[in-house]
Amino acid sequence: AQTVTQSQPEMSVQEAETVTLSCTYDTSESDYYLFWYKQPPSRQMILVIRQEAYKQQNATENRFSVNFQKAAKSFSLKISDSQLGDAAMYFCAYRSDESNYGGSQGNLIFGKGTKLSVKP
Amino acid sequence: GAVVSQHPSRVICKSGTSVKIECRSLDFQATTMFWYRQFPKQSLMLMATSNEGSKATYEQGVEKDKFLINHASLTLSTLTVTSAHPEDSSFYICSASRVEIALETQYFGPGTRLLVL
Repeated sequence: AQTVTQSQPEMSVQEAETVTLSCTYDTSESDYYLFWYKQPPSRQMILVIRQEAYKQQNATENRFSVNFQKAAKSFSLKISDSQLGDAAMYFCAYRSDESNYGGSQGNLIFGKGTKLSVKP
Repeated sequence: GAVVSQHPSRVICKSGTSVKIECRSLDFQATTMFWYRQFPKQSLMLMATSNEGSKATYEQGVEKDKFLINHASLTLSTLTVTSAHPEDSSFYICSASRVEIALETQYFGPGTRLLVL
């Protein structure tokens, strides 16, 4: 079974600085997707960025970028020029791309999350 | 695009009553919708996966007779918590995957906070 591990329960960054959130995963599959979701105090889950495992190029979305290391099964999120609005829980998630999903049809497997605080 | 709504956002009910939560994809068709439960300061726990027109697939340990899921159309799924008890109090979140593109990406609703007295 696939697992997702976020080893940093809490992180803190100064406004305008850069912070990196760690995520590792375990899988025997070769095709899959990885995601970072943000959950602010409102608890609305917001997609931050996604990465297809077959793509070597790291995904970027404005101030957010990932460092995807497939061999190491690592998928870290870098937030540049941190803003107060970036303060939230960040969840790393894995989704299989296998054609036979079994009982769970393409569901996301989440890590336990990292709480990011941004200091003014 | 890819907006998902949930209704109600918050509900308080008496023990023993049933509560229905609606999940709608507002600007896209969703072949698959997912229902999650989240306890305070914890991650999301998948409860079930529903496909339009077919029975939901429940995760191990989730009582299908207690958490009834109906996915009547490509834009609506409902979760009914039957005979609710205080231990059912939680934050329930739905998500949906689009039909036409990015099937693998889930878009989440804003969640429903259920309090059972």
